[in-house]
Amino acid sequence: GAVVSQHPSRVICKSGTSVKIECRSLDFQATTMFWYRQFPKQSLMLMATSNEGSKATYEQGVEKDKFLINHASLTLSTLTVTSAHPEDSSFYICSARRSSSNEQFFGPGTRLTVL
Amino acid sequence: QQQVKQSPQSLIVQKGGISIINCAYENTAFDYFPWYQQFPGKGPALLIAIRPDVSEKKEGRFTISFNKSAKQFSLHIMDSQPGDSATYFCAASSKAAGNKLTFGGGTRVLVKP
Repeated sequence: GAVVSQHPSRVICKSGTSVKIECRSLDFQATTMFWYRQFPKQSLMLMATSNEGSKATYEQGVEKDKFLINHASLTLSTLTVTSAHPEDSSFYICSARRSSSNEQFFGPGTRLTVL
Repeated sequence: QQQVKQSPQSLIVQKGGISIINCAYENTAFDYFPWYQQFPGKGPALLIAIRPDVSEKKEGRFTISFNKSAKQFSLHIMDSQPGDSATYFCAASSKAAGNKLTFGGGTRVLVKP
């Protein structure tokens, strides 16, 4: 149990376009989902916390208008990178937390390359 | 300010040896300390986790040692295998802060056959 999927696994887009990444908890309900960004050979940096049915909470320095997060159901959260630029190229990873639990289960990540 | 410091950055160990990774934290409100294993191009996978009311936890070849007074915790990988070659991250979170994980910088472990 506790499987989290992400789609797509990798995406290449042109500068200026928008990209949507989906995060799904497949076998449990996730009251909270988190979005992370990871640059090569670096640690994971939390971007935002997403709670079902409410607005996401963004970490300091993360532009909420650029990284749109929607947590429409207990099993789905989406991250949309708007007007992507080459500096947005990174590995984006989501995680999902079961209610009444500390454990976070991570998705396989999405490799975004902006040309 | 880095709240969780991890060392070493990289580690080479022979097959069958013990890999030891250390982490130190500053925020005394942290109440959950997980370790994650990450292979290249994949998401992190939870290995083992501990709470501050326990000084040691063992699961198979993986052991966490926790020192609350020193605000330090470590991961020991016993009988290291080539398949253990990966990047390991310690992390910490507090319920008061919404269970948001703060990650250490990571340790790249290479197990030589």
